[in-house]
Amino acid sequence: DVKVTQSSRYLVKRTGEKVFLECVQDMDHENMFWYRQDPGLGLRLIYFSYDVKMKEKGDIPEGYSVSREKKERFSLILESASTNQTSMYLCASSLGTGVLVEQYFGPGTRLTVT
Amino acid sequence: KQEVTQIPAALSVPEGENLVLNCSFTDSAIYNLQWFRQDPGKGLTSLLLIQSSQREQTSGRLNASLDKSSGRSTLYIAASQPGDSATYLCAVDFNKFYFGSGTKLNVKP
Repeated sequence: DVKVTQSSRYLVKRTGEKVFLECVQDMDHENMFWYRQDPGLGLRLIYFSYDVKMKEKGDIPEGYSVSREKKERFSLILESASTNQTSMYLCASSLGTGVLVEQYFGPGTRLTVT
Repeated sequence: KQEVTQIPAALSVPEGENLVLNCSFTDSAIYNLQWFRQDPGKGLTSLLLIQSSQREQTSGRLNASLDKSSGRSTLYIAASQPGDSATYLCAVDFNKFYFGSGTKLNVKP
């Protein structure tokens, strides 16, 4: 069965802290994605990666960075957390380019920055 | 920038009704379209994926159609049940996925 896991369901951090969100998939997928979801704004793509050590900016990369050292793991890093980064963060993976690129999502991490 | 729109934003129906959720997009050059379900506070669960060469896909009581030329997809839910209550999102693959804001469905017993 397809599985994407995220390291935490809920996180509370202070302004200025460095925050790591981890995502692991067990499907040998090439592509991995980080989104944030906010009421009224929907899901917005932060970063994605189509291979180990490769990364591409999405629509809202400012204030974030990512790391993909292994195929199964994709980390989102908030270098200096701010209150406007309070959000639901969703990780997803997909098999690769081609005809069928169904995305599979993790359960999400609800991050609160105080 | 690609845009994906879902109408209505919210829908409340009595149990047993058949219903249609709509998704429209601004560019017909899509790769795939995927429908998801999201329960409150949870991640997204994939319901159906339609490839750009397909016109429809079916899974149980769900049927999704795709009309690329008019930039529209519909998700048809037959004989709705209270357990179908959730937010339904469509995502259009323009070589990156763009999501609609969702339709929040409430099925009343």
